[in-house]
Amino acid sequence: QTVVTQEPSLTVSPGGTVTLTCASSIGAVTSGYYPNWFQQKPGQAPRTLIYSISKKYSWTPARFSGSLLGGKAVLTLSGVQPEDEAEYYCLLYYGGAQLGVFGGGTKLTVL
Amino acid sequence: QVQLVQSGSELEKPGASVKVSCKASGYTFNTYGMSWVRQAPGQGLEWIGWINTKTGLPTYAQGFTGRFVFSLDTSVSTAYLQITSLKAEDTAVYYCARVLRQEVDYWGQGTLVTVSS
Repeated sequence: QTVVTQEPSLTVSPGGTVTLTCASSIGAVTSGYYPNWFQQKPGQAPRTLIYSISKKYSWTPARFSGSLLGGKAVLTLSGVQPEDEAEYYCLLYYGGAQLGVFGGGTKLTVL
Repeated sequence: QVQLVQSGSELEKPGASVKVSCKASGYTFNTYGMSWVRQAPGQGLEWIGWINTKTGLPTYAQGFTGRFVFSLDTSVSTAYLQITSLKAEDTAVYYCARVLRQEVDYWGQGTLVTVSS
């Protein structure tokens, strides 16, 4: 069973920068895993922020960026705002890019 | 604009079945696949699988084979998730989400399924 690992929780100050990571139990995350990143606030459906490592949607704030670093997928928030406090999930694809596995999520606190 | 509108909350007894719908609008239904995601109370997201809306071919994640079934009614641009032989641990919010290749973009609002005697 493939496991995708994220930091359980992180805290950042308003205006600061924070990095969330997404690791695969199989090995290094590469472009072939098509990392997606999602934001979920309490009581709401998830919202997609990033797909295919670093590509953004029209609604993705500019302060969010995605990359690969050190064998992991990375979501960076620069100039964090209070409204960025949320749970963040990554999704990686396996099995010829047909099977998805979510990470356990990172609870981001802005304090 | 793209919208995915899911059916309302369901309360079912153990052993029963439930069918959740996801009606799509604002785009051509069979040009995007549909994924299904589960979120148990207070827990993270679980990827159940996806269905190719052009061919009807479903793909299920490990642990979701057998009791979980995807289907389509392309005439009304709607995808369905049926869960049979319900168990208490199936209690969760179920989401549909549009997918193109490995890009998940729009999400439904979620459907709460509660399994309780």
